[in-house]
Amino acid sequence: GQNIDQPTEMTATEGAIVQINCTYQTSGFNGLFWYQQHAGEAPTFLSYNVLDGLEEKGRFSSFLSRSKGYSYLLLKELQMKDSASYLCAVPYQAGTALIFGKGTTLSVSS
Amino acid sequence: NAGVMQNPRHLVRRRGQEARLRCSPMKGHSHVYWYRQLPEEGLKFMVYLQKENIIDESGMPKERFSAEFPKEGPSILRIQQVVRGDSAAYFCASSPSQGAFGNTIYFGEGSWLTVV
Repeated sequence: GQNIDQPTEMTATEGAIVQINCTYQTSGFNGLFWYQQHAGEAPTFLSYNVLDGLEEKGRFSSFLSRSKGYSYLLLKELQMKDSASYLCAVPYQAGTALIFGKGTTLSVSS
Repeated sequence: NAGVMQNPRHLVRRRGQEARLRCSPMKGHSHVYWYRQLPEEGLKFMVYLQKENIIDESGMPKERFSAEFPKEGPSILRIQQVVRGDSAAYFCASSPSQGAFGNTIYFGEGSWLTVV
């Protein structure tokens, strides 16, 4: 089965850098996804990693280490609008639907 | 290009009534997923469907819940004899082909069910 762990909450200030960690256990690896979800809204896709290493996309970067079952999402130059829940997800064991962690609620203050 | 469309956005039902939630996938998407999100909890996978087929319903409660994705029309998540514990946000997502193999899954805005 799958098991995904993320910190529950994190706080940071505008302009700072924050790293949100995710550890996972899965039977058969088919990539790792990060989604952002603002309160009361739909999750939106941020990144997908299937190979080890860092994928950079603007202010957001995502890192994956398959051997360690570990990923992180790096947010740079934080803005107030980055206050949201960040969800780590891996495909279900059958390689179909995504299984999500409980999410990390990030609060950005001025 | 319209995204994943869900309706109703908000639904109030009394205990014992039925709730029907509808989801139209993005244009060109033939795979639909339903998730439930309880307050302060993560997204829980419920069911994965293709047109006229249930592919994986391992996350669906055994009783009162059912889902379909007919050849024509939207996917429907049906909850019979609702109880207070069914109060949650129900999200639908779609993908163009078999999901989670590098295919991004796109979510709808959700349907918020409140059982009173």
